[in-house]
Amino acid sequence: NAGVMQNPRHLVRRRGQEARLRCSPMKGHSHVYWYRQLPEEGLKFMVYLQKENIIDESGMPKERFSAEFPKEGPSILRIQQVVRGDSAAYFCASSPSLQDAFFGPGTRLTVL
Amino acid sequence: AQSVSQHNHHVILSEAASLELGCNYSYGGTVNLFWYVQYPGQHLQLLLKYFSGDPLVKGIKGFEAEFIKSKFSFNLRKPSVQWSDTAEYFCAVNAGTGRRALTFGSGTRLQVQP
Repeated sequence: NAGVMQNPRHLVRRRGQEARLRCSPMKGHSHVYWYRQLPEEGLKFMVYLQKENIIDESGMPKERFSAEFPKEGPSILRIQQVVRGDSAAYFCASSPSLQDAFFGPGTRLTVL
Repeated sequence: AQSVSQHNHHVILSEAASLELGCNYSYGGTVNLFWYVQYPGQHLQLLLKYFSGDPLVKGIKGFEAEFIKSKFSFNLRKPSVQWSDTAEYFCAVNAGTGRRALTFGSGTRLQVQP
């Protein structure tokens, strides 16, 4: 059973471009969480999704950020018009229930 | 709102030394508690978790943690560390009911010297 997959592992964007981060949960997991880790800080919750539904987006910035988890395919975290402050590691976690969460390797976004 | 404090940001130990990493949380209701480890260049892995029952929890690789409800603490311990324990350690909590997203501490970087 493959773990949580994230791609790309590293992503470089110039200011103003769009970043699309993908997360494939573990097989059988219908809960997906996105977290952001800024340098020298712990992970901060962004959004919690189940298939086709956003359950909790209280940690998501109100502008430029969006997330989806379609019926088929990976979960996508989309950042429009990136700025330097978006540079961070973005982690996805999946869960079969409301308890354990299994983390992916993360996507390290660098905005030039 | 929940918050998690990890007071030790950077700990340096020699091999075979004992380890205790502090974790305090702020939340008035039922909580689930976790310790994750992130080895250099790798993703987060679950070390141990507490949901209910015996407050002394044993995890992988010889780690354990004790939940002390009166102190809102969930400190991580290991009697004898190894060089391979060099990593960053994160304490996390989530509410026992309702919102299940994890709230993380800022992490403790452990460096074990051979």
